Amino acid sequence: DSGVTQTPKHLITATGQRVTLRCSPRSGDLSVYWYQQSLDQGLQFLIQYYNGEERAKGNILERFSAQQFPDLHSELNLSSLELGDSALYFCASSTRHVYGYTFGSGTRLTVV
Amino acid sequence: EDQVTQSPEALRLQEGESSSLNCSYTVSGLRGLFWYRQDPGKGPEFLFTLYSAGEEKEKERLKATLTKKESFLHITAPKPEDSATYLCAVQVDTQGGSEKLVFGKGTKLTVNP
Repeated sequence: DSGVTQTPKHLITATGQRVTLRCSPRSGDLSVYWYQQSLDQGLQFLIQYYNGEERAKGNILERFSAQQFPDLHSELNLSSLELGDSALYFCASSTRHVYGYTFGSGTRLTVV
Repeated sequence: EDQVTQSPEALRLQEGESSSLNCSYTVSGLRGLFWYRQDPGKGPEFLFTLYSAGEEKEKERLKATLTKKESFLHITAPKPEDSATYLCAVQVDTQGGSEKLVFGKGTKLTVNP
């Protein structure tokens, strides 16, 4: 157990639907990073939050959004889902000035 | 644009046959280089962080080294349980004053008994 908790582990949904992925960071970590992993693209950075504020954006589609709550857990919202959104979505957390990133076990999203 | 290239894409070894994985990078400002191990369907598991050229770190049968343009992950006398995908990532600055990891596509290692 890495200390980073992601739910659900698996999600199957239809095209056009909206889903929410949840991440609880390791205790004490203020930063949360979201990554998408598909077979052909590898791990792609989506977005980062630090203590409730958005700090960096990567290759995140406009249909996707995220937020970090006061208790530091984060949610990634994916809407108007397409077949190509099927992937593993990982959350990682870190503590500022301590250069380590701990990953959760991921959410496997399948869009049918 | 920050880029990380790993080679080979896949590597098959016999148990006990040592080898090296390569990670070359082109970044505007390297803050650190990370190696992760990923098993199928699981999240990346941290192995090493290297910060400066010439630095080396070891853990069991793994040794990571860093130069100004690339990093190597040396695997000595591998065992079947070392089979996994090994990911290299560089830590770079973002416009918001934060940092992120940029990953390579990984090397899938298979060690046959």
